[in-house]
Amino acid sequence: EVQLLESGGGLVQPGGSLRLSCAASGFTFSSYAMSWVRQGPGKGLEWVSAVRGSGGVTNYADSVKGRFTISRDNSKNTLYLQMISLTADDTAVYYCAKAAASSGGIYYMDVWGKGTTVTVSS
Amino acid sequence: QPVLTQSSSASASLGSSVKLTCTLSSGHSSYIIAWHQQQPGKAPRYLMKVESSGSYNKGSGVPDRFSGSSSGADRYLTISNLQSEDEADYYCETWDTNTQVFGGGTKLTVL
Repeated sequence: EVQLLESGGGLVQPGGSLRLSCAASGFTFSSYAMSWVRQGPGKGLEWVSAVRGSGGVTNYADSVKGRFTISRDNSKNTLYLQMISLTADDTAVYYCAKAAASSGGIYYMDVWGKGTTVTVSS
Repeated sequence: QPVLTQSSSASASLGSSVKLTCTLSSGHSSYIIAWHQQQPGKAPRYLMKVESSGSYNKGSGVPDRFSGSSSGADRYLTISNLQSEDEADYYCETWDTNTQVFGGGTKLTVL
């Protein structure tokens, strides 16, 4: 069974940093692009970042560019999101998601994790 | 990059059918989209992909009551024989070379 399990969320002060992790199982992790998607309180889904299967190419939403870094360790089947200079606008549930195609590039998402909550507040 | 437009809300009676619409922006009418369901308090769940031809492929375990279709820049999700558990937010999604995009979501109320 394909599973994604996020961790690392919590309460952080404005200007602080946090690293999220997503442990994957049940599929050949390195063959699929992976994404982070967030959902602020009462809001819709917002794509945050994506990384190709090889890890060599990354993309970011303008709202997080320069502050967030996506990475992956294919030997550990784990996806990461390093977040710095956090603001209240970054408060959200963060989901990791798997691309549907094994081309390694960006594609639509067909598996979601349960999410981890990030709260930015003093 | 593509933009996806969805109505903010829809409602239909228990046992009836409803058709939700996701509209692609100009110049992107050939794009494939995916539909996702998010029940209250839960993570999103992938439902299906819908192509410009109207063909669709559902995810594992998605009931037969769910189907997809397409017309021009519009992609549809039809839910037949509505059940109470279908009350949820529904999002469409597409992608380009360097980005992924979600519609604003449609909140479906089952009366």
